[in-house]
Amino acid sequence: AQSVTQLDSQVPVFEEAPVELRCNYSSSVSVYLFWYVQYPNQGLQLLLKYLSGSTLVESINGFEAEFNKSQTSFHLRKPSVHISDTAEYFCAVRVEGGATNKLIFGTGTLLAVQP
Amino acid sequence: DAGVTQSPTHLIKTRGQQVTLRCSPISGHKSVSWYQQVLGQGPQFIFQYYEKEERGRGNFPDRFSARQFPNYSSELNVNALLLGDSALYLCASSTLGQVYNEQFFGPGTRLTVL
Repeated sequence: AQSVTQLDSQVPVFEEAPVELRCNYSSSVSVYLFWYVQYPNQGLQLLLKYLSGSTLVESINGFEAEFNKSQTSFHLRKPSVHISDTAEYFCAVRVEGGATNKLIFGTGTLLAVQP
Repeated sequence: DAGVTQSPTHLIKTRGQQVTLRCSPISGHKSVSWYQQVLGQGPQFIFQYYEKEERGRGNFPDRFSARQFPNYSSELNVNALLLGDSALYLCASSTLGQVYNEQFFGPGTRLTVL
């Protein structure tokens, strides 16, 4: 079975500071990896994904994540955060080639950006 | 283009009642998945439907059921509501049922069971 661990339930950070949100996963088979963002009272939006190829993936708004197979991690980073980045961030996995679209999510990390 | 839509936005029910939640996928999408997000937790997979057939089911009791219609919209039904069913119910649609394809999530239906 697959599982996702987000150890930090909340990460407070000052505006323009760097941030890292940690994600570790457990799986006996190959998986796809995702980061989703959820703003208050909204659904989930895909931030970035790793399917194959380069282990470093980037989003259009400055976030990046690196797939580390040996450490089974997919940490999310941003060199300089903005107030508008305040949201809940979820790491998720999906079994590669699985029979369904089923995503397995972590418990989420609240990124709280302070001025 | 319209995204995934869900109705109603909010719903309040009492224990023992039944509820039906509705989802309209993005035009052209044939797969719909349902997730339950309890406050403070990540979403948990309930069902996936593709071409009107159930493709997958999560670890939920038989009180939860769903169906997909010929126009690919979907309904999630929950019978004999419990307090623990209070959650945000998310619907996601995608183009294909199996190979990787991005899932687009709706805004959710907030269900409160009193």
